[in-house]
Amino acid sequence: GQQLNQSPQSMFIQEGEDVSMNCTSSSIFNTWLWYKQDPGEGPVLLIALYKAGELTSNGRLTAQFGITRKDSFLNISASIPSDVGIYFCAGTGANSKLTFGKGITLSVRP
Amino acid sequence: EAQVTQNPRYLITVTGKKLTVTCSQNMNHEYMSWYRQDPGLGLRQIYYSMNVEVTDKGDVPEGYKVSRKEKRNFPLILESPSPNQTSLYFCASSLWGRTDTQYFGPGTRLTVL
Repeated sequence: GQQLNQSPQSMFIQEGEDVSMNCTSSSIFNTWLWYKQDPGEGPVLLIALYKAGELTSNGRLTAQFGITRKDSFLNISASIPSDVGIYFCAGTGANSKLTFGKGITLSVRP
Repeated sequence: EAQVTQNPRYLITVTGKKLTVTCSQNMNHEYMSWYRQDPGLGLRQIYYSMNVEVTDKGDVPEGYKVSRKEKRNFPLILESPSPNQTSLYFCASSLWGRTDTQYFGPGTRLTVL
């Protein structure tokens, strides 16, 4: 079945630093999504990507849909303490089923 | 306010005691889904529904049941809960054909002793 790979499981950065997260798949995806989950809350959609090569920004967040359609990355610039949380990549493939990665837990040191 | 609500938010129960977790959305969404979240495993889909009276299994349906008698509600039923169903559960909804942009509920933390 479709699988998305996110690593590492945890990342620790200093406030003000930029951070990049990658998500890869063994199969082609038609849509790439990035969600953030705050502690005690459900995931919230950050960015949705629909075309290979597409680069989309949402404030300090930038995400790209890889040219091969098998990967995507999310960049967070000038991190702040409220950026802490779990970041999930997700995607839909040929069967339109939404598949999630295992998530990366981001910690930001003040 | 557009939202997905779940009840209860927290539940501690014992093995074998039937329970239901309710999910309701006020966005007139056709598609609804249940996920469980476990450490290191991310979100895994349990069941989904494309519309009223249409439900199908996700990746981990064993031990769960669902029903979709009304468009807004999609309850998750555990007929005989077991400790391996201790998890954080999320309900989600979206417009038909837009499963790529699902709205999630706040989660239900279930502990089965």
